[in-house]
Amino acid sequence: DAKTTQPNSMESNEEEPVHLPCNHSTISGTDYIHWYRQLPSQGPEYVIHGLTSNVNNRMASLAIAEDRKSSTLILHRATLRDAAVYYCILRAYSGAGSYQLTFGKGTKLSVIP
Amino acid sequence: DAGVIQSPRHEVTEMGQEVTLRCKPISGHDYLFWYRQTMMRGLELLIYFNNNVPIDDSGMPEDRFSAKMPNASFSTLKIQPSEPRDSAVYFCASSPYWTGLGNSPLHFGNGTRLTVT
Repeated sequence: DAKTTQPNSMESNEEEPVHLPCNHSTISGTDYIHWYRQLPSQGPEYVIHGLTSNVNNRMASLAIAEDRKSSTLILHRATLRDAAVYYCILRAYSGAGSYQLTFGKGTKLSVIP
Repeated sequence: DAGVIQSPRHEVTEMGQEVTLRCKPISGHDYLFWYRQTMMRGLELLIYFNNNVPIDDSGMPEDRFSAKMPNASFSTLKIQPSEPRDSAVYFCASSPYWTGLGNSPLHFGNGTRLTVT
């Protein structure tokens, strides 16, 4: 299975941009890069996903390296509500028409007021 | 849209008892997933369904675990008999199908926290 590597934890000051890195050097051509976050006592929440091009939505931006071996989730202006564990995941094809979504340990983001 | 609905939110039971967790996916989503989360192992995929049919159950830990999806709006995860090591938070998620499953986000419920004493 294609795997991802993320820092265990990061800190950011409130109202500043945050760049959360993810390495996925064994990504294959059909793997989508997904980001989810998990707030305390809640289920994971979808943030954004992409294949090759950079993506923007109301929550965040996703910057994907040209070789697709790494990506960065960008929160443009961190708020206290953004404190969560952020998971970078590859939606990997596992044969017979099935796609796995395997979660790693994620990055715990702390936002400092 | 109410999102993915799981019940109960909390379940405490004694070892050896049967436990049934329930999930209502988002209407119109073709895929349903059951995950388990513990501090030691993180989020693990247990099983997932496509159009009510189990596709991959390789993550189900052992025969004590079973999952069903009798219709498009309901799924259960059953543990019989339960053991203390089954204590975890169990999440249900559903997904639409957008030009391929890899291109489709997962929508999670808020989970059921199971404690087996």
